[in-house]
Amino acid sequence: DAKTTQPTSMDCAEGRAANLPCNHSTISGNEYVYWYRQIHSQGPQYIIHGLKNNETNEMASLIITEDRKSSTLILPHATLRDTAVYYCIVRVYTGNQFYFGTGTSLTVIP
Amino acid sequence: NAGVMQNPRHLVRRRGQEARLRCSPMKGHSHVYWYRQLPEEGLKFMVYLQKENIIDESGMPKERFSAEFPKEGPSILRIQQVVRGDSAAYFCASSPDRTQETQYFGPGTRLLVL
Repeated sequence: DAKTTQPTSMDCAEGRAANLPCNHSTISGNEYVYWYRQIHSQGPQYIIHGLKNNETNEMASLIITEDRKSSTLILPHATLRDTAVYYCIVRVYTGNQFYFGTGTSLTVIP
Repeated sequence: NAGVMQNPRHLVRRRGQEARLRCSPMKGHSHVYWYRQLPEEGLKFMVYLQKENIIDESGMPKERFSAEFPKEGPSILRIQQVVRGDSAAYFCASSPDRTQETQYFGPGTRLLVL
């Protein structure tokens, strides 16, 4: 089952940074933190993943605390198209499946 | 480079009929995963296949559901004698040959059982 805890919903003003928190206090040493999002019942879209170092790509930044018990996904300049459900998932790198919890419903407000 | 393809996108069946859902992975991917999303719920893993092999079917219902990924052609998720509770969105994902790392998802098939 899901090993993460996320807020049910969040709002963010368009153009501002969206910071989505995730708690994973029972994460194991060989488990990665993945972020996916699902826009209006489309297929989940991969965003980013990391082990212990902070990661950045063209979509977002992932900040993982030093003890790895929590992380934050940052969308630097949120747009209306970023309105979606965001899933934080921990998984062994070569695991068979992703456990999708209920995620955080992010609404970007004009 | 085309993404994961699924068809049909929408499927309507009457109770007792069979449903066949197809998934073509991304080019070069030989690992396929099926997930089901019931209304207002998160995705739930069903089965993981490689070419001609079922690797993990721990999430598959014990009856009426089967999956295959033949040497040639798409992966098929088959639901026999559908019931209303099978109404859901079914998503397929694929990952590269060498490692299983990130899974890339298709647009899904919405199954409605009348």
